[in-house]
Amino acid sequence: GAVVSQHPSWVICKSGTSVKIECRSLDFQATTMFWYRQFPKQSLMLMATSNEGSKATYEQGVEKDKFLINHASLTLSTLTVTSAHPEDSSFYICSASRLYRDYPSHSPLHFGNGTRLTVT
Amino acid sequence: GQQVMQIPQYQHVQEGEDFTTYCNSSTTLSNIQWYKQRPGGHPVFLIQLVKSGEVKKQKRLTFQFGEAKKNSSLHITATQTTDVGTYFCAGNSNYQLIWGAGTKLIIKP
Repeated sequence: GAVVSQHPSWVICKSGTSVKIECRSLDFQATTMFWYRQFPKQSLMLMATSNEGSKATYEQGVEKDKFLINHASLTLSTLTVTSAHPEDSSFYICSASRLYRDYPSHSPLHFGNGTRLTVT
Repeated sequence: GQQVMQIPQYQHVQEGEDFTTYCNSSTTLSNIQWYKQRPGGHPVFLIQLVKSGEVKKQKRLTFQFGEAKKNSSLHITATQTTDVGTYFCAGNSNYQLIWGAGTKLIIKP
């Protein structure tokens, strides 16, 4: 079953409004979660790494004031797209690493179902 | 910067034909992961390769990690409609996960 839950699956909002996306690890604690953005027919672009209890680490070119990340607990990270514009329309996906005995380092990522954001 | 090149971008095959996608890294990788993303879905972890020259099989899927740990391939034998999707490699280097662009497997009607 799903180990990472992402909500909402899709959202339509008006330009200038803010949208919050939640990412939860369901049966494990994730000190680190990752937020990706994916354009149609393209690969995943890492936006930021969310660290529980500390500030997120943003990739170059990603505006931290526009994409607010909060990782308040070991099972929840949120991404808020502030003052959304049509160019922010995209597919946003979160992921978390779950430690496995067979993969003691660089654990595989479990992805949420993604959120399709449309800004009108 | 560090890059992982993945080719081809698309591959059209008849059902029953084989499919292969290749990844090449500009730097030596500590390991490489493979994911599959179905149309409209999210990436799903398939496998991780760690050792130089490692070969792993999952039914009709064969994964290889090069001796220099800079390249990797995924080969699917006798493709089926359920194999449709985009296959991504992701290489770990300096504690960063670097994604390939993905190869989309398309089954010809």
